[in-house]
Amino acid sequence: EVQLVQSGAEVKKPGESLKISCKGLGYNFPSYWIAWVRQMPGKGLEWMGIIHPGDSETRYSPSFRGQVTISADKSTTTAYLQWSSLKASDTAKYFCARRFRGSTSPYFDPWGQGSLVTVSS
Amino acid sequence: QSVLTQPPSVSGAPGQRVTISCTGSSSNTGAGYDVHWYQQLPGTAPKLLIYGDNNRPSGVPDRFSASKSGTSASLAITGLQAEDEADYYCQSYDRSLSGSVFGGGTKLTVL
Repeated sequence: EVQLVQSGAEVKKPGESLKISCKGLGYNFPSYWIAWVRQMPGKGLEWMGIIHPGDSETRYSPSFRGQVTISADKSTTTAYLQWSSLKASDTAKYFCARRFRGSTSPYFDPWGQGSLVTVSS
Repeated sequence: QSVLTQPPSVSGAPGQRVTISCTGSSSNTGAGYDVHWYQQLPGTAPKLLIYGDNNRPSGVPDRFSASKSGTSASLAITGLQAEDEADYYCQSYDRSLSGSVFGGGTKLTVL
């Protein structure tokens, strides 16, 4: 069974750093792009960026470029999302998802269970 | 403000048919990019519902269907059931942003 298993909930203070993870299981991890998606409390989905674990090529949404860093380690089949200095506005649930190319536009399946990040002083 | 526009909410009685619209622009849906749909049940991760305009992954009932015309797409759910109560999101690709974009989501309430 193809699965993406994400790291657990985190509670951090503003200014702290954080790295959350997404482990791919049951498929050829290096061959599929992995996307990160933010969902703020009570809000919709926002595409943050993607990484190709095979060569670590990364693309960011303009809204998130410079705010987060996406990385991956194909030897451990794990993708990461990290912040160097968290803000309260980073409080959200973060999902990873495997990307399929699609005939004209990519889509995402499956999704990880989500990692809740709470930033509060 | 989401790049793709969806109604915030729709509702219907069990057994009825509801539709959810998704309107984009010439840089995404109007540029010929496929629209995909996801279902997010309360407290869970989104799940792929329809891809490539009207393809259902294994296990998705044929009560769910989608269509697209020009800059707009829509998701139709027939024979509404209580278990369909969820948030629904459309998603496509935007060439100006060089990335994927989502609609703001539509909350479906089964009366």
